[in-house]
Amino acid sequence: DGGITQSPKYLFRKEGQNVTLSCEQNLNHDAMYWYRQDPGQGLRLIYYSQIVNDFQKGDIAEGYSVSREKKESFPLTVTSAQKNPTAFYLCASSFRELNTGELFFGEGSRLTVL
Amino acid sequence: KNEVEQSPQNLTAQEGEFITINCSYSVGISALHWLQQHPGGGIVSLFMLSSGKKKHGRLIATINIQEKHSSLHITASHPRDSAVYICAVRPVSGGGADGLTFGKGTHLIIQP
Repeated sequence: DGGITQSPKYLFRKEGQNVTLSCEQNLNHDAMYWYRQDPGQGLRLIYYSQIVNDFQKGDIAEGYSVSREKKESFPLTVTSAQKNPTAFYLCASSFRELNTGELFFGEGSRLTVL
Repeated sequence: KNEVEQSPQNLTAQEGEFITINCSYSVGISALHWLQQHPGGGIVSLFMLSSGKKKHGRLIATINIQEKHSSLHITASHPRDSAVYICAVRPVSGGGADGLTFGKGTHLIIQP
């Protein structure tokens, strides 16, 4: 079945460590997105990519990095520069034009900084 | 700045009741999404609307572009409908491939 797979589901990190969250999709979607969700707030866009080898900063990109070497994969690295990394992270994908297609989400990754 | 307001924030109802969740936004949009977030955190897309009304099973979504308002209705509600329902809009002015603004969600609990 087609879908989006995020891993790990839960992750604990010590302060000062970088961590990488995985996102893989087999929907043949061009566009992929990373969102952050905090309690009581709407989802906020971290980074997005419309095509392989290209990505753009979203609203809250500071302290994060991404790569898009393959169409299927869009990993997110939470660096030590991110001051408040504890959050729920969601990966999504769509065909390039959101107006013509749905947005598909993964199950999310919950990161806790100890 | 585009704002998306959902109401109510929290809703508890009895099984079988008719449920309405509202979404209002402040700018012209090209599309509106209704999403369902399960207790485990995963999100499922329910509807994408640009006008009129859509129906899928017991779920109905309507949008009034002139009034900048959308509603999500659930008929014959069931405990398995318990979830957070999120409204997201894409402004006409764009702002990137994403350009989505999300509401904070409505937490729905259906009691047996």
